[in-house]
Amino acid sequence: KQEVTQIPAALSVPEGENLVLNCSFTDSAIYNLQWFRQDPGKGLTSLLLIQSSQREQTSGRLNASLDKSSGRSTLYIAASQPGDSATYLCAVDFNKFYFGSGTKLNVKP
Amino acid sequence: EAQVTQNPRYLITVTGKKLTVTCSQNMNHEYMSWYRQDPGLGLRQIYYSMNVEVTDKGDVPEGYKVSRKEKRNFPLILESPSPNQTSLYFCASSLRGANPIYGTRFFGPGTRLTVL
Repeated sequence: KQEVTQIPAALSVPEGENLVLNCSFTDSAIYNLQWFRQDPGKGLTSLLLIQSSQREQTSGRLNASLDKSSGRSTLYIAASQPGDSATYLCAVDFNKFYFGSGTKLNVKP
Repeated sequence: EAQVTQNPRYLITVTGKKLTVTCSQNMNHEYMSWYRQDPGLGLRQIYYSMNVEVTDKGDVPEGYKVSRKEKRNFPLILESPSPNQTSLYFCASSLRGANPIYGTRFFGPGTRLTVL
């Protein structure tokens, strides 16, 4: 069974900092990996999708990388803003979809 | 607008009273699935469907039923709800290509269910 772990569980940073969120998975035979954002009590918004054959994807201030062989992905957020405050979830597609427990990010003004 | 819709968004019910949570997508996606989200347990898959009339159990299927009679709809049925099914439920869909690369999963806004 696939296990997905996200570190750190929570992160508080001042506005403007660049930051890195980590996601690791135990079985490298994934089809793709997706990063989501979830605001409190709300649904999930897809941020980036990386196919298994890709190394990274970029969208605005977000950059996600994937190293299948080591079972790791990172989400890089540049120049963080208070509006980035949310929980960030990674999920791997491994026949079924497996989620990490998330990193709760707080960006202080 | 491409979206996944769920109804109702909020529901308070009593133990044993059958209920259905509807899910609909307008993207012609083949793959649809249901998740529940609980504090400390994260998101767990309940059921999924690869296509019309094709459904399979996820990690926590007990106490739930699903059906996929049409491509766009994937209702979640609780025949006899119990308090341990109090949770936040999400429906999701994605396009499944000829090879098993599912592509971006789109999530509905969630249904907050309370079973008293």
